[in-house]
Amino acid sequence: KNQVEQSPQSLIILEGKNCTLQCNYTVSPFSNLRWYKQDTGRGPVSLTIMTFSENTKSNGRYTATLDADTKQSSLHITASQLSDSASYICVVSPRGSQGNLIFGKGTKLSVKP
Amino acid sequence: NAGVMQNPRHLVRRRGQEARLRCSPMKGHSHVYWYRQLPEEGLKFMVYLQKENIIDESGMPKERFSAEFPKEGPSILRIQQVVRGDSAAYFCASSPPGGSYEQYFGPGTRLTVT
Repeated sequence: KNQVEQSPQSLIILEGKNCTLQCNYTVSPFSNLRWYKQDTGRGPVSLTIMTFSENTKSNGRYTATLDADTKQSSLHITASQLSDSASYICVVSPRGSQGNLIFGKGTKLSVKP
Repeated sequence: NAGVMQNPRHLVRRRGQEARLRCSPMKGHSHVYWYRQLPEEGLKFMVYLQKENIIDESGMPKERFSAEFPKEGPSILRIQQVVRGDSAAYFCASSPPGGSYEQYFGPGTRLTVT
């Protein structure tokens, strides 16, 4: 069964600190892996998209890594800001699915002053 | 360029009524996807449409749910005879023609069934 598991479920950090969110998936074969940010009451916004052949991708203070052998990905946030408080969702696209994305439940990040 | 638009943002229906959710994709986008998010759950794929065609409806419940994306106008997700379990946030996403990886999400419609 295609699944995406994320950890931790929730995380509280102080402003300015770094953090790393984890994603394990069983989707195989897959086309690409994405990380989205979802603010409360809003739709997800894409942060990074990596194909199965990519190991890392950055978008400002966000850096995603991918290990296709161990089926793990991580999202590292550097120098956190209050506006980083949101849910971060790992999403995997099965190969040939034409749009059927598999979503994790997300990690709820709270950045405190 | 306006983003993906969804309306209404909030919808309250009594059990047994019909719910119609609308999605206007970004300008130039011809692919539309619908997802449902139950409380404390991840988004779940429902259906993928292109103009006038359903491409993949593997995530749609077999009964009461239907979707369309007509040649003109928004995409519509229709839920007939709603039940309390249909209460959820429904998100629409769109992507341009050509098989782009990127999907752009709308703000969602929060359906509450009383």
